[in-house]
Amino acid sequence: DAGVTQSPTHLIKTRGQQVTLRCSPKSGHDTVSWYQQALGQGPQFIFQYYEEEERQRGNFPDRFSGHQFPNYSSELNVNALLLGDSALYLCASSSSGFRSSEQFFGPGTRLTVL
Amino acid sequence: AQSVSQHNHHVILSEAASLELGCNYSYGGTVNLFWYVQYPGQHLQLLLKYFSGDPLVKGIKGFEAEFIKSKFSFNLRKPSVQWSDTAEYFCAVNAPGGGNKLTFGTGTQLKVEL
Repeated sequence: DAGVTQSPTHLIKTRGQQVTLRCSPKSGHDTVSWYQQALGQGPQFIFQYYEEEERQRGNFPDRFSGHQFPNYSSELNVNALLLGDSALYLCASSSSGFRSSEQFFGPGTRLTVL
Repeated sequence: AQSVSQHNHHVILSEAASLELGCNYSYGGTVNLFWYVQYPGQHLQLLLKYFSGDPLVKGIKGFEAEFIKSKFSFNLRKPSVQWSDTAEYFCAVNAPGGGNKLTFGTGTQLKVEL
């Protein structure tokens, strides 16, 4: 049973560029959440997708956007990159049913903005 | 807004010592509580969880946590740590009224010395 997968593993971009990160949820899960983990900090909730719609959003600017596909996979897009966007981006999947807050995390994508 | 506090940022223990990591949250309603562990070079893994019932929950690898509602706490314990427990530990809270997002603490870096 494959867990949550993310791609790419590492990414280096320059300020002002745009980036797309990808996530495939654990088998049987239909909900995907994205988190940003800065160095030395705990993960911060960006947003959550369910039924191809953004269901909940954290305190992140509109430069951060996402998408969920019919197969439940998801993308995170960040426009106009800033140095402060450098972080580990984590995808987590869960089931919309019982105990839906129990989330399983992928290995993350390390984004470096120069 | 929900917040989660982990009081110990860095903990160093010798093998066989007992461990207790503190976690306090600010939300006053019904909560779901989690501890995640991140071993070096690996992704976040769920260590244990509390949804309801017995406030003493047991997780993997001999870890347990106690939910004390009156103290808004969910401390993680292990009677005897091993070198392989060296990792970063995160406490996370979900308040059902706030959707399914998880609010994380800043983490505790545990180093177990031989």
